[in-house]
Amino acid sequence: EVQLSESGGGLVQPGGSLRLSCAASGFTFSTYAMTWVRQAPGKGLEWVSGITGGGGASYTSDTAKGRFTISRDNSKNTLYLLMSGLRADDTAMYYCAKGIHPSSWFLWDYWGQGALVSVSS
Amino acid sequence: EIVLTQSPGTLSLSPGERATLSCRASQSVTSSFLAWYQQKPGQAPRLLIYGASSRATGIPDRFSGSGSGTDFTLTISRLEPEDFAVYHCQQYGSSPLTFGGGTKVEIK
Repeated sequence: EVQLSESGGGLVQPGGSLRLSCAASGFTFSTYAMTWVRQAPGKGLEWVSGITGGGGASYTSDTAKGRFTISRDNSKNTLYLLMSGLRADDTAMYYCAKGIHPSSWFLWDYWGQGALVSVSS
Repeated sequence: EIVLTQSPGTLSLSPGERATLSCRASQSVTSSFLAWYQQKPGQAPRLLIYGASSRATGIPDRFSGSGSGTDFTLTISRLEPEDFAVYHCQQYGSSPLTFGGGTKVEIK
């Protein structure tokens, strides 16, 4: 059974940093592209960043570019999102998601339950 | 960036009724790379439809997708109690990936 479990969320001050983790199990992690999608309270979904299975290529939204870095450790079956320069409008639930096909960083069939990030002074 | 506009914002229907949800794109979606997700309160999204009309694994056949170009539709033929939720469309034909604002299907 595919399982994705996010951790690392919390309250951070504006300008601060946070690293989210997503522990994966139930599939061959290194084979599949992964992504981060976020959802601000009461709002719609917003794609943040995606990464290929081997980690050799990543894709990031303009909103996150230069502030957020996606990475993965295939030996630990874990996906990461390092966020810096956080702003109030980064407050959201952050979901990790698994590509429906190995190369699909853009379409996802399994999602975690999310990690809540709150940016406030 | 492709902007997706979903309508209506809220759809009030009774169990057993047919639901028709619209997703309109600001420009043509490449190769009908359009997906639909269902999201219930406090839960993660669940993939229903991809490629505009292909059902994801395990999705009941009362869910169907159609459309091409800039106009796409999700139809739920007969609403079951568990279908009352928010539905999001997403295009993955061009970067950045974008989502619509969602349609809430509520019990009338």
